Amino acid sequence: KAGVTQTPRYLIKTRGQQVTLSCSPISGHRSVSWYQQTPGQGLQFLFEYFSETQRNKGNFPGRFSGRQFSNSRSEMNVSTLELGDSALYLCASSSDPGGLNTEAFFGQGTRLTVV
Amino acid sequence: AQSVTQLGSHVSVSEGALVLLRCNYSSSVPPYLFWYVQYPNQGLQLLLKYTSAATLVKGINGFEAEFKKSETSFHLTKPSAHMSDAAEYFCAVSVGGSNYKLTFGKGTLLTVNP
Repeated sequence: KAGVTQTPRYLIKTRGQQVTLSCSPISGHRSVSWYQQTPGQGLQFLFEYFSETQRNKGNFPGRFSGRQFSNSRSEMNVSTLELGDSALYLCASSSDPGGLNTEAFFGQGTRLTVV
Repeated sequence: AQSVTQLGSHVSVSEGALVLLRCNYSSSVPPYLFWYVQYPNQGLQLLLKYTSAATLVKGINGFEAEFKKSETSFHLTKPSAHMSDAAEYFCAVSVGGSNYKLTFGKGTLLTVNP
């Protein structure tokens, strides 16, 4: 069974540009969450999608957005990139997000560098 | 609101020694707690989770953690460290018991010396 796949693994962008990151969850999983990991702030929750609907959102500016497709694949978009957006972006998928007997599986992440 | 504090950003042990990574939580409701491990350039892997079924939780790779409500702690232990345990460890608490919105601690980097 394939794991959570995030593409691309590495990305370099210029300030002011926008970027789209992709996450393919484990087959059958309908919940996808996104996290930002930085040395200063650690791991922070961005948002969560379930069946194409955003159900939860963290405390990030509106430049951060996402969506989920009917096949559960998810994308997140960051517009007007700032240097502080440089981070490892992690995606996690789960089959039953409200169930404690399930696990959130993480992808390897996309390392975004803004120059 | 929930929060997690991991005491010690860096812990160094010798191979074969006890591993103890500390985690304290703050929660207004009964918490659900998790420990994750992250190897360099990798995502997070779940080690174990506390969901109120038992206070002593056993996880993968010989790790275990004990939930102590009176101390608001969920420390991670392993009796004998192995070189392959070197990684960063994160304690997390969930909102409402779900596993899709986790609040993480800052992490503890574990170094294992030969």
